[in-house]
Amino acid sequence: IQLTQSPSSLSASVGDRVTITCRASQGISSYLAWYQQKPGKAPKLLIYAASTLQDGVPSTFSGSGSGTDFTLTISSLQPEDFATYYCQQLNSYPLTFGGGTKVEIK
Amino acid sequence: QVQLVESGGGVVQPGRSLRLSCGASGFRFSSFGMHWVRQAPGKGLEWVAAIRYDGSDKDYADSVKGRFTISRDNAKDTLFLEMNSLRAEDTAMYYCARDFFGKSGYCDYWGQGTLVTVSS
Repeated sequence: IQLTQSPSSLSASVGDRVTITCRASQGISSYLAWYQQKPGKAPKLLIYAASTLQDGVPSTFSGSGSGTDFTLTISSLQPEDFATYYCQQLNSYPLTFGGGTKVEIK
Repeated sequence: QVQLVESGGGVVQPGRSLRLSCGASGFRFSSFGMHWVRQAPGKGLEWVAAIRYDGSDKDYADSVKGRFTISRDNAKDTLFLEMNSLRAEDTAMYYCARDFFGKSGYCDYWGQGTLVTVSS
C-alpha cells in the first residue's frame, strides 16, 4: 500500500493553522498513524487509529479521515512543532510510511 | 522508564553480515511486539521488520525479505536483526521500536538508533 503525503514541505509562521494530507493507494479503514521527527532524533508517535491523540501530545494536534484520505492538522503552530511529519499505514503488512512533510519556519 | 538501546552498527563491506541488538528496559519486554525501522541518510522512514511478543510471527519488508532475520530473546530482554548479504542501499540509521498493541505497528517508544554503513 503506497502513501502519498502532500505537501512535501511547507513554510509557516508561529500561530498558523497547518494541514498535511496523506492519501493511501487503497482503503485502509482507520489504520493510520502520524509521527513527528526532529533532526537527529527518533520519530515520535502523535496520533494512532487516524484520530486518537497519543498520551502527552498537545491538543493542538488532531487527525481525521478514513478509507484513503487522511489529514493531520496543527491548529496553532508552536516553535517546537517545526519538524518532519510522516504518516504510516497499519492496515496490512508490509507496513509503509509516507514520504514525509517538512514544516519549516517562514 | 521505558528505554530501548540499539547497538551493533558500523561499517561493513557489501555482501557481508551484521547483527544488530536492541536492549529493552523499564517494561515487560516479553509482552510487546517489536519492530525495526530504518532511515537512509537524508531520506524518509522505511519499516523493515516486525515480531510478535512471543516470536511466533514475523513480517518483513520486500526489500529485506530473505536477507534479514528478526528475532528476540525474552529471557534477556533483547531484540535482534541479523542482516546478511548487505548492499549499499541498506546504509541507514536503524531504530528499534515497541509496538503498544500486539503487532499492530503503532510504535510508542523508539531507541536512539544505530548507524549501519555498507561500503567497500
